[in-house]
Amino acid sequence: LAKTTQPISMDSYEGQEVNITCSHNNIATNDYITWYQQFPSQGPRFIIQGYKTKVTNEVASLFIPADRKSSTLSLPRVSLSDTAVYYCLVGEGTGGFKTIFGAGTRLFVKA
Amino acid sequence: GAGVSQSPSNKVTEKGKDVELRCDPISGHTALYWYRQRLGQGLEFLIYFQGNSAPDKSGLPSDRFSAERTGESVSTLTIQRTQQEDSAVYLCASSFFHSTGASRYTFGSGTRLTVV
Repeated sequence: LAKTTQPISMDSYEGQEVNITCSHNNIATNDYITWYQQFPSQGPRFIIQGYKTKVTNEVASLFIPADRKSSTLSLPRVSLSDTAVYYCLVGEGTGGFKTIFGAGTRLFVKA
Repeated sequence: GAGVSQSPSNKVTEKGKDVELRCDPISGHTALYWYRQRLGQGLEFLIYFQGNSAPDKSGLPSDRFSAERTGESVSTLTIQRTQQEDSAVYLCASSFFHSTGASRYTFGSGTRLTVV
C-alpha cells in the first residue's frame, strides 16, 4: 500500500503560485496519483488526477517526474478561497481501493 | 442522485446509545467507502464495499462498529454503545470501480456525531 508524505502546512499570499509536493516512494505500476481539496465542514473534493508527466485542468496542474516517486500540485494565483486542506493519494493498484488519506497539507492564503 | 447524500447531518447522542448513519451513493457507483475524521485530523478508513464482494472491514476500530450495504445502493454505519471518543465527522464516498488505482471519489458532506 503506497504511503504518501506531504508538508503539514503552508502559507501563501493572494496571487501567488503555490506548489505542494508529495512523496510516494513505493508507488506501484498501476497506481494513479490523485489530489483532493477539503474545506471546513465539507467532504473532500476531487481536484486532479494523473499517472505520469503533466496534467492540467481549469483548477490546477499536476507534475509527475519520470520515476513517479513524487508529485507536485500547482495552484496558480491562489485566492483566499483556496485556503483548505489538500490531500495527496496514491491508489492501491491491486483492485482493493482502501485508499489511505494522510493528514494532508493545510494551505493558508493570506491577503 | 446528483451527489452523495448523508443523513443526518448532525447527531448528538448520549454515551451508551446506539446510532445509525446513512449514506446514499451516486447511482451507478459500485464502490462505497466510510471514513472517520476527528477534529483537525485526516481521514481514517473504516470500511469499503464493492459490488457484491465481501466488504473490507479492516478499518473498523472495534466490534461496536458495523456497516451494511444493500446491493449497490444505500449503506448504513451503526455504532453501538457509543463512547465519547466516537465523536467525529463520518464521511461516506462512492466511486465507479476501476481495476487500477484511478478511482475518483465523490464525498458526501458527512454526519457530525457528538457523544455527550
